[in-house]
Amino acid sequence: GAVVSQHPSRVICKSGTSVKIECRSLDFQATTMFWYRQFPKKSLMLMATSNEGSKATYEQGVEKDKFLINHASLTLSTLTVTSAHPEDSSFYICSARDGTGGGQPQHFGDGTRLSIL
Amino acid sequence: DQQVKQNSPSLSVQEGRISILNCDYTNSMFDYFLWYKKYPAEGPTFLISISSIKDKNEDGRFTVFLNKSAKHLSLHIVPSQPGDSAVYFCAARNGNQFYFGTGTSLTVIP
Repeated sequence: GAVVSQHPSRVICKSGTSVKIECRSLDFQATTMFWYRQFPKKSLMLMATSNEGSKATYEQGVEKDKFLINHASLTLSTLTVTSAHPEDSSFYICSARDGTGGGQPQHFGDGTRLSIL
Repeated sequence: DQQVKQNSPSLSVQEGRISILNCDYTNSMFDYFLWYKKYPAEGPTFLISISSIKDKNEDGRFTVFLNKSAKHLSLHIVPSQPGDSAVYFCAARNGNQFYFGTGTSLTVIP
């Protein structure tokens, strides 16, 4: 079945550094990928919709300059958390849709646990 | 504003019995509803979906029921197995956007 690969699975870094997370669709082309953030005991919160070849669409309250998204190809989207601070520590998950119509589900990566010291 | 709600954060069921997970939504524009299963430190895995024009969809041990008038859907797992223990998220789709509930942690007791 469809597989989405997310890398790295865990990052621990110092405050002020930038962290890049990659999301790849392995056996299908994804014109649209999604980036979510999950807080403990909270729902998946959509951060932005990543569109191949164009600018990402950010949800209200999400800082575009803080969370840089690049969707350079039909199989790769990246999320860069710039100048990360402890409050950015969270579980980040990407997803991609295989197909555009009907009930095509999103396929999720395994997430990235980001810890900012 | 939470458009998709799962009011039960946890559920415990005996092995072999039926597990019923519930989900409520507020937006009548949702056209597809989906259930995902999530293990710790992993991304959610798609389980089953239902179109808004249907009221039931069955796949093996999993059945999803949709009550549009009540804006309510449920996932039935029967018989429940210990391997079903996980967090279950319901999700609803409006256009290209998905909205997720907060999840229900299911524990199936052997």
